[in-house]
Amino acid sequence: KNEVEQSPQNLTAQEGEFITINCSYSVGISALHWLQQHPGGGIVSLFMLSSGKKKHGRLIATINIQEKHSSLHITASHPRDSAVYICAVVIIGGSQGNLIFGKGTKLSVKP
Amino acid sequence: EPEVTQTPSHQVTQMGQEVILRCVPISNHLYFYWYRQILGQKVEFLVSFYNNEISEKSEIFDDQFSVERPDGSNFTLKIRSTKLEDSAMYFCASSDRPEPQHFGDGTRLSIL
Repeated sequence: KNEVEQSPQNLTAQEGEFITINCSYSVGISALHWLQQHPGGGIVSLFMLSSGKKKHGRLIATINIQEKHSSLHITASHPRDSAVYICAVVIIGGSQGNLIFGKGTKLSVKP
Repeated sequence: EPEVTQTPSHQVTQMGQEVILRCVPISNHLYFYWYRQILGQKVEFLVSFYNNEISEKSEIFDDQFSVERPDGSNFTLKIRSTKLEDSAMYFCASSDRPEPQHFGDGTRLSIL
């Protein structure tokens, strides 16, 4: 069973477009992470949030705890945003490092 | 900006051999983690480590696996008697708080 579902699996966009990646989860969580995995495999932590909204540069992450849903938005997308974006959750009662990961959304931004 | 460093970037090992994956966390961090990603699959939690002991481990982290901080700076993952299904990308992460913040670029482990 997949506790964390992401959509879409693959996304192709033109440079400058506004992008939304969705994450739904079926369990009670204490926190949700958005991560970026580069083509070479390295992982970068983008956000950790437990409520509301966070913004960093062109990236915005939102979470709705009642609906068990989070979104990652990228404004004015650029080819360098091309990567796999991964949603991961911390189950209530679990340790903060024990993340349950989604399968990722592969984003390709064309110039 | 400080970063987590993992070595080697690619390790090829014969099945049944022992392998040690090395990580140098960011220097003032106290929380350490290992994750793995089998090719084409999602990332999975292996183990978290704090105050020189394992704080949590997953079902994957069986007796074949061990972790240690041998010298106060390195953080290692040892896999004894490797199996074909251990082939994966292994990621180390470190943090100055209980949730992982900084990830390394990973070690690709190939078991032949």
